[in-house]
Amino acid sequence: DIVMTQSPDSLAVSLGERATINCKSSQSVLYSSNNKNYLAWYQQKPRQPPKLLIHWASTRESGVPDRFSGSGSGTDFTLTISSLQAEDVAVYYCQQYYTTPQTFGQGTKLEIK
Amino acid sequence: QLQLQESGPGLVKPSETLSLTCTVSGGSISSSSYHWGWIRQPPGKGLEWIGTIYYSGSTYYNPSLKSRVTISVDTSNNQFSLNLSPVTAADTAVYYCARHASSAWSAFDYWGQGTLVTVSS
Repeated sequence: DIVMTQSPDSLAVSLGERATINCKSSQSVLYSSNNKNYLAWYQQKPRQPPKLLIHWASTRESGVPDRFSGSGSGTDFTLTISSLQAEDVAVYYCQQYYTTPQTFGQGTKLEIK
Repeated sequence: QLQLQESGPGLVKPSETLSLTCTVSGGSISSSSYHWGWIRQPPGKGLEWIGTIYYSGSTYYNPSLKSRVTISVDTSNNQFSLNLSPVTAADTAVYYCARHASSAWSAFDYWGQGTLVTVSS
């Protein structure tokens, strides 16, 4: 199985400041034939299902604010929130869908400082 | 707007079968463009992919659960289902159904609200 490891486990950031969450996969999720990284980011608020923010490592889902961005390739990925808003408080998960079983990171809890 | 809704018993006894159905509305489960999946989340913990199905019936399962899981599709009712047997307390979780954005190797873009299933005698 591909193990997805997120860092940090929790993060406190001031409103308006930048938040950065990292995700490392135990093997590459870059498919060479199409040069796509099979990596997604989700946001989960309490008592809600996860919401897709980013897929293919850097493609923002329709309707997701442009303060959210994804970057990275191969085994190292980053989710950046450029200017933290109060409504961004949530747990964030990365997921690889490169191979079976699809696997998720353990989650990063983002709070307001 | 596509909507997914999980339904089924909220309490299952150990060694018995967990059965859930996901009803899709606002779109056809028979669309050749999408695959459909089940994901679970134990209380206070992370997400685990259970398996994925295509409208044709092709399935992909998590090897850790494969011996106990069956996912099926009912195109006439626009539903797909999850059976997990036998269950233990470790199967207590919120179970989500979701749509892959395209193939089985794509992210989940639409999710149901989830249903809590507790395994207890």
